Order: sequence, then C-alpha cells, then structure tokens
Amino acid sequence: NAGVTQTPKFRVLKTGQSMTLLCAQDMNHEYMYWYRQDPGMGLRLIHYSVGEGTTAKGEVPDGYNVSRLKKQNFLLGLESAAPSQTSVYFCASSLGWAGNSPLHFGNGTRLTVT
Amino acid sequence: QQPVQSPQAVILREGEDAVINCSSSKALYSVHWYRQKHGEAPVFLMILLKGGEQKGHDKISASFNEKKQQSSLYLTASQLSYSGTYFCGTEIGAGGTSYGKLTFGQGTILTVHP
Repeated sequence: NAGVTQTPKFRVLKTGQSMTLLCAQDMNHEYMYWYRQDPGMGLRLIHYSVGEGTTAKGEVPDGYNVSRLKKQNFLLGLESAAPSQTSVYFCASSLGWAGNSPLHFGNGTRLTVT
Repeated sequence: QQPVQSPQAVILREGEDAVINCSSSKALYSVHWYRQKHGEAPVFLMILLKGGEQKGHDKISASFNEKKQQSSLYLTASQLSYSGTYFCGTEIGAGGTSYGKLTFGQGTILTVHP
C-alpha cells in the first residue's frame, strides 16, 4: 500500500513560472488537503476537497488553484510562482471529515522559487 | 483560528517526562495530535473528541479538558525515538467558519538526549 504519494519531491522554479504538484492516494479516501509548512508557522491549509469534483479554500489560498477530477488525485497549481511560495508542501487525505478522521500525509514537496 | 501550543521547545534526557499544551479561544469539536521527524511527513498519534476524555498508547497519552478548549499531550519516560516536532490540529465543527478544516498549531520541538 503506497498511501499518499506526492510528485515531484523537489522543484526549483523561477519567479513567474508555473507548475502543478500531484497528490495521489490509494486508500479510497473522500477528503484531501494541501498544506504548506514554513519554519515556525506550523502547517497552513491552502485548499481542500470533500469529494470528487469539489474544492474549497483554506487559510492561505491566494496564488494557488486546485482540481479534483478523480477521487484518488488532488492537484495543486501555481500559475505564476513568487518567492513567497517557497515552502514545503504536504498533501493529506482522510477517510471522512477531519473532525473525527486521522489525516494521512504524503512525504512532501520542497519547492524553491528564485 | 490557529491554536496556541506551549512550550515552543523542550529538551529532555532519556527517561524524563514532558507535557505539551494546545489551547484555543473557542470550544473545539476535536483535537488531533501528530509527530513529525525532521525531513519526514507528520504522523498521526491520536484524536480526542469528548470533553474530559483521556486516551493514549504506550507512554504517550493526551487529555481534552471539560470545556473542550485545551488539550495536553503527555510523554512519559521519554525515549530517543520521541524526538521530533509535535503538532496539535483543531476542528471547530459544524456551524463554525472553520468547518472541515483542521487548523494546526505552530508546533513544539522535542529533543531527547541520551
């Protein structure tokens, strides 16, 4: 069982470039999340999805877009990267609502924007 | 609203105990606890749902106070493997603007020395 898989693991972008991060889970989970982690700030929710075809904004959604066309995949897009988006990005999934279901995290993507 | 964790960092010798606190200004539906080792993904430890609840496994346990605004994580007779950053995640529940969003504290860095 792979669990939650994120690709790529590392990426360096120049300001203004675009990219898509892919998250795939094989646990048939309904909920999926994208978090960013910056030193001293914990994990901050960017966007999340409560099921296939749905997306919702989290705490820090500006500059990002997401799509969930298939239940097992959750894509995070950066249309025009900025240095402030340098961070480690974690995808997570849960079987049910985050209120009572554990989150399973991927291994993260380290993104540097120069 | 981000929960507040204290302390920010703890340094222990093997065998010593530690307590990490997580506080919210609003009543919570639930509290999650996760541990993250350096360079790795956060790993789920436990969820508390009921006021006054206590649960745990091995030598790591947690409590949720009656008003459901504070949770504490207890690490007893610490081992080297306990080192890492501990995060609480909180869910306000239905009716709150944070419904469906697990909001994390800023983390507590725990270091256990031989």
